[in-house]
Order: sequence, then C-alpha cells, then structure tokens
Amino acid sequence: AQTVTQSQPEMSVQEAETVTLSCTYDTSESDYYLFWYKQPPSRQMILVIRQEAYKQQNATENRFSVNFQKAAKSFSLKISDSQLGDAAMYFCAYRSAGEGSGSRLTFGEGTQLTVNP
Amino acid sequence: GAVVSQHPSWVICKSGTSVKIECRSLDFQATTMFWYRQFPKQSLMLMATSNEGSKATYEQGVEKDKFLINHASLTLSTLTVTSAHPEDSSFYICSASPLGRGIYEQYFGPGTRLTVT
Repeated sequence: AQTVTQSQPEMSVQEAETVTLSCTYDTSESDYYLFWYKQPPSRQMILVIRQEAYKQQNATENRFSVNFQKAAKSFSLKISDSQLGDAAMYFCAYRSAGEGSGSRLTFGEGTQLTVNP
Repeated sequence: GAVVSQHPSWVICKSGTSVKIECRSLDFQATTMFWYRQFPKQSLMLMATSNEGSKATYEQGVEKDKFLINHASLTLSTLTVTSAHPEDSSFYICSASPLGRGIYEQYFGPGTRLTVT
C-alpha cells in the first residue's frame, strides 16, 4: 500500500516571501500521479498542482512549483510571493496510474500554512 | 467545468434518525465517486468507493450497514447515515472521477457538515 507523509503539521511565512512544504511518499509502482491540494477555511478542496511521475520536468503553476525527486520519493511544494489568500491546509496526495477512474487518492496528514502580513 | 455539488451543505439531525447526503457531478459523467470523512484539522479519510450500477467498496473499519452508498446514475451518488449517533458528527466530502481513461483528476464537492444531537 502507498503512504504519503507530510512532516510539517504547521508552517508560517511572511507575505511576499517564499515557503516550501515537504512531502514524501512510499510506493512500489513506477507510474503514478502526485498532487497538492489546498483546503481553505471554506473546506472546499482545490487542486493546486499535479505531477505525472513519468515526467522529469517539475510542474509549475504561476507562483506554485514542485520539486519532484522520484528516486528519493519526495514531492515538495514551493509557494513564491506568498499571499494572504494562500493561508490554508495543504494536502499532498498520491494516485496510482494503473486503475483508471477507480484509482483512489492517498492523502498526507496535511500542513497548515499561515501567512503573516 | 468539472463541478461537483453536495446537498445539503449542513444538516443537524437527532440521534437515531437517518440522513441522506447527495453528491452530483453537474457537467460531467462520473463512473466512480468517492466518499471521505474529515475530522477537524485532520486529513481526509476514504470511506468508500462507489461505481455506477454496482455495490460500493468500503474501506476497512467502515460499517457498510451504517453508511449506505448508492450510485444510481453517472451523475449522482448518495450517502445515507443510518441510525446516526453523535460520534457520526463530521464533515463528509465526496469526489468524482470523470468517465474515460486517462483522466486522472478527482473533482471535489464542497462538503456536508453533519451534526448529530
């Protein structure tokens, strides 16, 4: 079974600064997807960024980028120019590529990000 | 596109009664829908996976007779909490995977807060 670990229960960052959230995972599969989801106080899950394991290039979405290290099974999220609206719980998630639409997401424990003005 | 709705968003019920939560994919068809439970400041815990027209697959430790799941169509899945008790109070989230291979995202509903008194 796959596991996802987020070792930082809480993180804080000053507005306009950069912060990196850590995530490691364990799997014996070679083909999978990794995601970062954001859950603001409204509790609506919002996809921040995704990474296909077969792609070596790190994914980037505006101020959000990842550092995907497949051999080390590490998948960190970097948020640049942090904004007050980035304050939320962030979840790292893993999904197998082999089961199509039936494939479940495995979530990490989450990191609560606070952005200080 | 890719909107998932949940109804109700918030419900209070008395101990011993049953409550039904609906999850709908509004602009896509979903072969698979997932039901999660989330306690405050914790991660999402997968309860069950439902496939249209077939019985749901429950995670270990989840009582299938207590949490009845029906995936009646490609756009609707329901979760019924039967004989609810205060310990069932939680935040319930559904997600849906679009029909077709190669689509690897899950789209989340806004969640339903259940309070059992």
